[in-house]
Amino acid sequence: AQSVTQPDIHITVSEGASLELRCNYSYGATPYLFWYVQSPGQGLQLLLKYFSGDTLVQGIKGFEAEFKRSQSSFNLRKPSVHWSDAAEYFCALPIGVQGAQKLVFGQGTRLTINP
Amino acid sequence: NAGVMQNPRHLVRRRGQEARLRCSPMKGHSHVYWYRQLPEEGLKFMVYLQKENIIDESGMPKERFSAEFPKEGPSILRIQQVVRGDSAAYFCASSLASPRLYNEQFFGPGTRLTVL
Repeated sequence: AQSVTQPDIHITVSEGASLELRCNYSYGATPYLFWYVQSPGQGLQLLLKYFSGDTLVQGIKGFEAEFKRSQSSFNLRKPSVHWSDAAEYFCALPIGVQGAQKLVFGQGTRLTINP
Repeated sequence: NAGVMQNPRHLVRRRGQEARLRCSPMKGHSHVYWYRQLPEEGLKFMVYLQKENIIDESGMPKERFSAEFPKEGPSILRIQQVVRGDSAAYFCASSLASPRLYNEQFFGPGTRLTVL
């Protein structure tokens, strides 16, 4: 089955500390993968996307993610978090036919930042 | 260039009433997707529409829920005879219609439905 799993429901880090949010996927071929961020009461904003090629993907707001086929993972990282990074983060996988794909989301990871 | 617009942003209904959620896609987009986010859960796909066509409704509950995207006007997600379990945030996304491998979906701010 095509699915996305985010093992960590809630993570707390101190401001300035490094961050890694985990995402594992199940897909029969090389997937496309995305990370979205949702601030409280807001919609989803795309942080970064992986289509193919370079396995280290740079995104907005200083985030990056690394695609590892051997581990079926696409973990999100940031070297130094800011208080404004507190939000919910979703990993997503598009499935379906070319040009008409729906997104399958992980359960989300809520990030809390300690001052 | 306005993004995806949804209204209302907040909607309160009593059990048994009808809820109508509207989504205006980005300019030039003709594909609309609806997702539901239940409390403490991720987003779940509900339905994918093109103008005047439902392409994939595999995520729609079998009863009480319907969606449309007319030739003119916004897409509408309609929930009849709402129950408390329908309380959730409903997000709309839109994309271009092109033969690319993937058409990026842009999300609206969501409608938060509360059923009393």
